[in-house]
Amino acid sequence: GGIITQTPKFLIGQEGQKLTLKCQQNFNHDTMYWYRQDSGKGLRLIYYSITENDLQKGDLSEGYDASREKKSSFSLTVTSAQKNEMAVFLCASSRGSSAETLYFGSGTRLTVL
Amino acid sequence: AQSVTQPDARVTVSEGASLQLRCKYSYSATPYLFWYVQYPRQGLQLLLKYYSGDPVVQGVNSFEAEFSKSNSSFHLQKASVHWSDSAVYFCALSMTNNAPRFGAGTKLSVKP
Repeated sequence: GGIITQTPKFLIGQEGQKLTLKCQQNFNHDTMYWYRQDSGKGLRLIYYSITENDLQKGDLSEGYDASREKKSSFSLTVTSAQKNEMAVFLCASSRGSSAETLYFGSGTRLTVL
Repeated sequence: AQSVTQPDARVTVSEGASLQLRCKYSYSATPYLFWYVQYPRQGLQLLLKYYSGDPVVQGVNSFEAEFSKSNSSFHLQKASVHWSDSAVYFCALSMTNNAPRFGAGTKLSVKP
């Protein structure tokens, strides 16, 4: 088995601030993902990475940067936090192909004041 | 482009009743299809998945889903629900060499 660790669990920022979320996995999975979860909108794909140093844009990549410097870690940066923004950011990993199961972390809850 | 629609934002059923949660997808070929569940204060976890073959797939906790190519659907079913099944259920679709896309989710409440 393995685990996905997301830090921090709670993140409070100010409007316009750059904020970074981190994700670590010890499954030795090739592919990692960032999703944003908003109430009533489900999960929307921000970025994913199929291997170290690879980045693929998702459907919601505008306003975000991502970095995959190691196989085990995948970070997400909110480039300029929007006032009153509230969402949960979920990190996931999988062995690689499109048919594989995703394993999720418990999320980072972002609040922007 | 692929998409997943879960038409019911909330479903309430009584304990012991049968359950169907609906999922419709839009994709020109046969996709990989998944159902995930998010229990309160927990991460998402897989219930079941479909690649090909038998259109009825069995999952954990007596859940099953039926793939229908003609209806572009992948509905989740359970014969008799328990209060512990209360959670948010997500349908997801994946194409070859692409990341999964999720529906908006259905929040299931089971009344005692």
